[in-house]
Amino acid sequence: LAKTTQPISMDSYEGQEVNITCSHNNIATNDYITWYQQFPSQGPRFIIQGYKTKVTNEVASLFIPADRKSSTLSLPRVSLSDTAVYYCLVGETDTGRRALTFGSGTRLQVQP
Amino acid sequence: DAGVIQSPRHEVTEMGQEVTLRCKPISGHNSLFWYRQTMMRGLELLIYFNNNVPIDDSGMPEDRFSAKMPNASFSTLKIQPSEPRDSAVYFCASLTRQGGTEAFFGQGTRLTVV
Repeated sequence: LAKTTQPISMDSYEGQEVNITCSHNNIATNDYITWYQQFPSQGPRFIIQGYKTKVTNEVASLFIPADRKSSTLSLPRVSLSDTAVYYCLVGETDTGRRALTFGSGTRLQVQP
Repeated sequence: DAGVIQSPRHEVTEMGQEVTLRCKPISGHNSLFWYRQTMMRGLELLIYFNNNVPIDDSGMPEDRFSAKMPNASFSTLKIQPSEPRDSAVYFCASLTRQGGTEAFFGQGTRLTVV
């Protein structure tokens, strides 16, 4: 299994850009990188997915270097409502459970 | 679409009682996952179905837990007998297609066993 490592917690202020990096040294050729967001008392919500280089959507950007051994989730101009736990997942569901095995996540606290 | 629907939202039961949690995945999704979340252990994958067939149940904690998916629109997770350490939030999630990673989660069932 491609194990992921990400910071336990991060603090930021409103309006700042937040970058959360995830390490996945054992990523396999067919693996995708997926990020989820979870608010208290809710189920996780898909944010973004990528394979290589850069992916951007209306919520975030995902930067993946050429060796794919890490990835960085970038949240532009965070607000208080971005306070949540962010999970990095690596894998593909064809193999059963890998893509949806959640680690400890990064607890982001945004302050005014 | 109403999304993934779980019931009940809250369940309080006494130790030793049978508990059944229910999940209705999004129509057309062919993969379904059951999770358990606690402060101590985080979000644990319990079991995964693909096309109504259990693929991996290695996360099911013990024989007291069982899950079924009799058809594409319904799944149950049963605990019999329940114990206080089973208290947690149980989530169900479904996937659009095999090989995808954009899963949709339900609101969860908060189970308290006293």
